[in-house]
This record gives sequence, C-alpha cells and structure tokens, in this order.
Amino acid sequence: DTGVSQDPRHKITKRGQNVTFRCDPISEHNRLYWYRQTLGQGPEFLTYFQNEAQLEKSRLLSDRFSAERPKGSFSTLEIQRTEQGDSAMYLCASSSTSTSYEQYFGPGTRLTVT
Amino acid sequence: AQRVTQPEKLLSVFKGAPVELKCNYSYSGSPELFWYVQYSRQRLQLLLRHISRESIKGFTADLNKGETSFHLKKPFAQEEDSAMYYCALEGGGFKTIFGAGTRLFVKA
Repeated sequence: DTGVSQDPRHKITKRGQNVTFRCDPISEHNRLYWYRQTLGQGPEFLTYFQNEAQLEKSRLLSDRFSAERPKGSFSTLEIQRTEQGDSAMYLCASSSTSTSYEQYFGPGTRLTVT
Repeated sequence: AQRVTQPEKLLSVFKGAPVELKCNYSYSGSPELFWYVQYSRQRLQLLLRHISRESIKGFTADLNKGETSFHLKKPFAQEEDSAMYYCALEGGGFKTIFGAGTRLFVKA
C-alpha cells in the first residue's frame, strides 16, 4: 500500500460541466475526509465518512457537491454545474483507530474551471 | 464558532536561530490540536498533536488554554525545516479546522 491515492491529479473543465474525483484510502482505514484548499488558505473541511456512512457535511457545501463511499473503501466527490469559484485543490485523507486517527493525506486533485 | 488563526503568513529565520510559529484558536470546549507540515512537493502530513506531548524533529508545542494558543517551537532551526506549517483543531464531531498556514523559510 503506497498511501492515499487520488485520481485524476489535474482536471481542467469548462464552466457548467460536471466533474468526478476519486479517492482510494489506505486499505485498513475506516475514516475518510474530503477537503478543499484554495491559494493562500489551509484545507477547508467538506465532508467525512466512517465506513460507508457520511456522518458530517460542511454547511459550506452547496447542493452541487455530493460525495459517496459505497462500499466503505474508495470514495468519489462529484461537482455538478461547475463554477469558476470551484477552482481549487481537492484533498482526501484517511485515518483509523490504529493510527490514533492521524489523518494521512493524498496528493490532491487540482481542479481548474475555465 | 471554531476558528484557528495563524497570524504570520511568512516567517524567515537564519539557520540555528530559534523559531516560533504562532497559532491561536477559538473553541468553547476541550479541543484536540495538531500541527501539520507540507514540505515542497510533498503531501500534507502530521507533525505533532498536543495529546501526545512529543517532540518531533526537534519541534514542540504546548497547549495554553488560558491564552487559547498552541504555538510551535524549535530552539535551533535547520534548513530542512523550511516548509508550510498548518495548525489544526478538532472539536466536537469529526470536523478538522485548519489555519491559513505559515510558510517557514530557514536561511543558510
């Protein structure tokens, strides 16, 4: 296991298009987090899964954003009708009780909306 | 409201000098506090957490509940410490709040 992976690493899309990102956590980790990071800011919490259950979702997340973790393993984050303000780095992290819930981050997906 | 403030965007020190990266937080309960670090072209990773009271790579951080601070300190900075540092808070639930980060630059 090489750690948390994210795909794609970069995505350029036109305003109004839908995009989907994938995160593969470390295999034994039951917790999974999504964050968004814009230039000059720290990661901003979007949502959290414990196994397949989405237990927390930021109020900042509009209805255009949806996340799933269907089998408690990989997760997807979809953004519908993208806007230029959605341009950011999208980070995924995972953790478990064995790591005392230390979050391990993926490399991120950089989204550019033109 | 939960908030983490890192007042310095950039901190530049000479090699061998002491370094202190400031972090103040706002939270009504008993938070868990962390420092994360991102070296150039690497992923964000945990540096230390307050409950473990460890010294990692010579860095320490003390939680001061009276001043609601969790400053990161190192007595003698090294060039390899140059990185982006983020203070983070985990309050009730599973939401982690990050500060805006401080870029540390250690000059030779």
